[in-house]
Amino acid sequence: AQSVTQLGSHVSVSEGALVLLRCNYSSSVPPYLFWYVQYPNQGLQLLLKYTTGATLVKGINGFEAEFKKSETSFHLTKPSAHMSDAAEYFCAVSEKAGTALIFGKGTTLSVSS
Amino acid sequence: EPEVTQTPSHQVTQMGQEVILRCVPISNHLYFYWYRQILGQKVEFLVSFYNNEISEKSEIFDDQFSVERPDGSNFTLKIRSTKLEDSAMYFCASGQGDRNEQFFGPGTRLTVL
Repeated sequence: AQSVTQLGSHVSVSEGALVLLRCNYSSSVPPYLFWYVQYPNQGLQLLLKYTTGATLVKGINGFEAEFKKSETSFHLTKPSAHMSDAAEYFCAVSEKAGTALIFGKGTTLSVSS
Repeated sequence: EPEVTQTPSHQVTQMGQEVILRCVPISNHLYFYWYRQILGQKVEFLVSFYNNEISEKSEIFDDQFSVERPDGSNFTLKIRSTKLEDSAMYFCASGQGDRNEQFFGPGTRLTVL
């Protein structure tokens, strides 16, 4: 069965600092991996995805993530945090096209000035 | 840019009542999903729908739940007899299936009293 573990339910950074949100997954087949962002009282917005090919994927708002099969990880990074990045971030995994997304518990990112 | 829409944004109901949550997926998408998020918890998969039938469902999706695509545009989730524990944010999502990228609506907050 698939699962996702997000280490750290809450991450706090200063504006301009590196953002690192951790995600480890479990899957019996090559996974599809996703990061979604949820702003307060809003739905889920896709930040980026990994399906096949290049293991470093770039998303919106300057975020990127690297798929590391040997570490079963898909950590999300951004070189310089902005106040507007404050939100909840969810990592998700699925086995194949058209199937359920399995989400992690989420990480709340706080950005201070 | 096309988006998934959901109505109502907030529904309050009495325990035991039936509710229908409505979604309009993106028009050229073929796969439709319902997820829920209980306050403070992770997003959980309920059901997926493809080619006019349920393709996958979770343990949460019991006999109290049903889905329907009554016409060419709407996708509904019905809860026959609501329970207090059904209180949650319900998200509809749609996708084309390739790469399993799913686009989420803004959600319907269901409150069961």
